Order: sequence, then C-alpha cells, then structure tokens
Amino acid sequence: GAVVSQHPSWVICKSGTSVKIECRSLDFQATTMFWYRQFPKQSLMLMATSNEGSKATYEQGVEKDKFLINHASLTLSTLTVTSAHPEDSSFYICSARMGNRQPQHFGDGTRLSIL
Amino acid sequence: GNSVTQMEGPVTLSEEAFLTINCTYTATGYPSLFWYVQYPGEGLQLLLKATKADDKGSNKGFEATYRKETTSFHLEKGSVQVSDSAVYFCALSGMDSNYQLIWGAGTKLIIKP
Repeated sequence: GAVVSQHPSWVICKSGTSVKIECRSLDFQATTMFWYRQFPKQSLMLMATSNEGSKATYEQGVEKDKFLINHASLTLSTLTVTSAHPEDSSFYICSARMGNRQPQHFGDGTRLSIL
Repeated sequence: GNSVTQMEGPVTLSEEAFLTINCTYTATGYPSLFWYVQYPGEGLQLLLKATKADDKGSNKGFEATYRKETTSFHLEKGSVQVSDSAVYFCALSGMDSNYQLIWGAGTKLIIKP
C-alpha cells in the first residue's frame, strides 16, 4: 500500500519551454503533498508544501511564479516548471501523506534536463 | 530548531558484515523518526519508522530504536548484502516543524561482494 506515482520519470526539453510533472497517490488520499528538489549527492531540498484545495506554501527562495503547483484533488498534485532554463535541470521528487503524523511516501522522481 | 545529524559516508563494508549508521536528532517534544532509502536513480522509499520513545522500527532486516535519552535513532542490520548499497536518510517530523520532514544529509552505503 501507500504507492505514489510520479510522471514522467525523465524529461529533456529546450530552454524556454514549460514542463508539467504529475504526482498521484494511487491507493490513499493525500491531504498534503510535497515537492522536493535534489542536487547530485545531496539531500532533498523542500520546495513547497501543498494541501488539497488551497494554495501551496513555498519555501524561502523558491519562486512561486516559476514553479507552479496545483493540488486539485486528494490524489493529484502537479508541478509546472515555467519557461525552464538549464539551471532548472535537476531531480524533482514528490511525496504524499495521509495526515500530519503519517510518514511521507515518495514518487520515483523526475529527472529534468533543460538544453 | 529541529535538526538531524547522521554519520558521514561513504560507508564501505563487505557482504555479511554488521551495519550501523548513526543518527542523532534535536527536537522539542516527541517527534516521529524515520529512515528512508534511496537506490541509485530512484526516489525515496520508507524503510522504517518509530513514533514514540523505545519503539523499534524494523523492515527487511534493518532495525532502529527510538532512544529519547540519547536522542538517537541508529540504523542497524546484522548481515548486509550487495543489494543494500544505497543512500540512507534519517529524518524526523514533529509539531515544531509543522510536521514537515527534517532530513539528515544522507549516508552512502557501499557493500562489496
């Protein structure tokens, strides 16, 4: 149980395009979803916290107009990287949890490469 | 504020060796504690958890005990396999941090046959 599906797993695109990443909780309802960014050989950096039906809370230094997050239902959150540039290339990982004291369950991540 | 400190890697062991990866934390109250594992090129998987003092989390031969007196949650396995090679992250979640995960830096484990 507690499966989180993240799609796509790998994206290569040209500079200036927008990329949407989906995160779905397949067998549970996720009151909260999280979006992380991971640089090589480093720990995860939390980008934003998203609660269903409300605006996402972004961490300091994360541009909300650059990284658009939509959490339209209890099983789906999307991250859109708008007008992506090479410095946005990274490994993006989502997670979802059922409640405050429940563990986060992670997707397999999306490797984004901007040329 | 809350924080997690885990031993630096990489940790290199031979197959069937005993594993310990140290993790200590700083938090007020009673946070929940987690170990996550990340295999190369993949996302994170929850390995085990403990939600109160003296709880022991266990999974796939790995164990960790929530020690409030020493504020520790060390990960152990009696006999490691090559397939255990991965990066292991210790994390905590508590009211102080609005139940967000506070991460350790990760410890890379390399098991040689």
